[in-house]
Amino acid sequence: GNSVTQMEGPVTLSEEAFLTINCTYTATGYPSLFWYVQYPGEGLQLLLKATKADDKGSNKGFEATYRKETTSFHLEKGSVQVSDSAVYFCALSDGTGANSKLTFGKGITLSVRP
Amino acid sequence: DTGVSQDPRHKITKRGQNVTFRCDPISEHNRLYWYRQTLGQGPEFLTYFQNEAQLEKSRLLSDRFSAERPKGSFSTLEIQRTEQGDSAMYLCASSFTGNEQYFGPGTRLTVT
Repeated sequence: GNSVTQMEGPVTLSEEAFLTINCTYTATGYPSLFWYVQYPGEGLQLLLKATKADDKGSNKGFEATYRKETTSFHLEKGSVQVSDSAVYFCALSDGTGANSKLTFGKGITLSVRP
Repeated sequence: DTGVSQDPRHKITKRGQNVTFRCDPISEHNRLYWYRQTLGQGPEFLTYFQNEAQLEKSRLLSDRFSAERPKGSFSTLEIQRTEQGDSAMYLCASSFTGNEQYFGPGTRLTVT
């Protein structure tokens, strides 16, 4: 079955530091890949997505590239801000047929210090 | 459009009681999903509707769980004879086309 593995957390960075959060996946076929973010006290929000190999998703300064050869979708940001403190989830969807249920990783908590 | 809404936001119940949660999707979204999230874990798929038809149920959804989506609009998730292991955040999501899902704020269930 499908699965998503995220690096262990939590991660603590200083403001303006470079961020990388690793995500690898196992799936049959050609899944779509997502990063969701959960800010304190709020619901899950879609941060970015990529639907095919070599696609790059980007939003709010975050980027992730769909790497089929390494089955990875690592999240990066060049300069984090305190407001980026949140829990980040990598997810995939097989995108086939009528059901596109999401399979999530465990999530990783990011704390950014001023 | 106010997004996906869920009610109640918090529910505390005693073991053995029945609970029901409601989800109102984004209007015109024909797909509705339920997920469960426990502390320190990512959401796990429970069940899925396309319009009023329930098309898939996870093995996580025991016989004590039932979900409905009458008329293809709002959905309810009922848990009968709650157990402490049912304590979790229950998330609802909806989508229209493709697989971009929008999540509600969740219902946090605590079974004492």
